Amino acid sequence: AQSVTQLGSHVSVSEGALVLLRCNYSSSVPPYLFWYVQYPNQGLQLLLKYTSAATLVKGINDFEAEFKKSETSFHLTKPSAHMSDAAEYFCAVSEGNNNDMRFGAGTRLTVKP
Amino acid sequence: DTGVSQNPRHKITKRGQNVTFRCDPISEHNRLYWYRQTLGQGPEFLTYFQNEAQLEKSRLLSDRFSAERPKGSFSTLEIQRTEQGDSAMYLCASSWDYTQYFGPGTRLTVL
Repeated sequence: AQSVTQLGSHVSVSEGALVLLRCNYSSSVPPYLFWYVQYPNQGLQLLLKYTSAATLVKGINDFEAEFKKSETSFHLTKPSAHMSDAAEYFCAVSEGNNNDMRFGAGTRLTVKP
Repeated sequence: DTGVSQNPRHKITKRGQNVTFRCDPISEHNRLYWYRQTLGQGPEFLTYFQNEAQLEKSRLLSDRFSAERPKGSFSTLEIQRTEQGDSAMYLCASSWDYTQYFGPGTRLTVL
């Protein structure tokens, strides 16, 4: 079965600094990969998704992620952090028609002024 | 374009009581999912509907849990004889293809 590992349960950056959130996946078939963001007491909002097209995926709010098959990674980046980016971020993997989407444990991003 | 809605947003109940949550998916989505999320964890899959058919259930879904989706529209998740371990955020998502869109969740607290 597919699985996701998010390295680092907490990441802290200064406002304006680069954001890098790490995600490694395991899948027996070409995966679909997703990043979601969750603000306190809210549901998950889709940031971006990889669906076997371009390996560099751009999402909302200047986030992007690169699919690297050789490294089984799908790390999330943003060039310049904003205070409003402080939230919990989840990486998820799905095996296409298998609707059992698996989530990582999440990474809490803190942005310091 | 309205998103996925869930009601209630918060539910506090006493151990042993039954609770029911409702999810209204995005109107053109034929797939609907329920997840449970505990503090500090990612969502865990509970069950999945395609139209009105419940096609998949996780082993996390004990006999006390039941979900329905009559007429393939809204869905309800019922928990009977609640236990303190049921305290969690219950998330609903819907999709047309492989991309799932989530509602705001229902936070359940069992006293």
